[in-house]
Amino acid sequence: GEDVEQSLFLSVREGDSSVINCTYTDSSSTYLYWYKQEPGAGLQLLTYIFSNMDMKQDQRLTVLLNKKDKHLSLRIADTQTGDSAIYFCADVSGGYNKLIFGAGTRLAVHP
Amino acid sequence: DAGVIQSPRHEVTEMGQEVTLRCKPISGHDYLFWYRQTMMRGLELLIYFNNNVPIDDSGMPEDRFSAKMPNASFSTLKIQPSEPRDSAVYFCASSSPGLYGYTFGSGTRLTVV
Repeated sequence: GEDVEQSLFLSVREGDSSVINCTYTDSSSTYLYWYKQEPGAGLQLLTYIFSNMDMKQDQRLTVLLNKKDKHLSLRIADTQTGDSAIYFCADVSGGYNKLIFGAGTRLAVHP
Repeated sequence: DAGVIQSPRHEVTEMGQEVTLRCKPISGHDYLFWYRQTMMRGLELLIYFNNNVPIDDSGMPEDRFSAKMPNASFSTLKIQPSEPRDSAVYFCASSSPGLYGYTFGSGTRLTVV
């Protein structure tokens, strides 16, 4: 079945850029998503990208999509301590209906 | 809108007891999803509904788990009997065609002792 993989942990210094990577297997994906989960909270939609796009920028967030390699990345510019959270990549499986999530990347921001 | 509302936020129960988790989706959303999150298995889709009808329950781990959606504004996930390995955070999410992604509730943290 469809699979989404992410590295599990990333540590960055405050003010630096963070890059979180994700690979997926479903070549028919139409949308790919990034969610953020803060401690004790649910998942919050951060951003998404259509499969016919290579890049999407939203303030400090930049999403890059390499459809040939089935690789998705999320870049956070000027990372702040408030960005410390778990970031999930998600792919739509079976059409619109099912979101398949990666294991999540825990981002730790240190001074 | 108050978002997706789940109750209770925390539940501690003894092994063998019945547990019922509740979810109120966002008004107008016609898809509802139940996910389970554990350290070992990450986020797993258990079941989802469209217009109150279960569409895919292939993620429900065992017959001890059941889910219902009697109307557009309410769903339950029941575990009977509960076991310690059911301890997890259970999330409900809702969505609708034309929207991007899901809106998640804050989750119910279940501990079975």
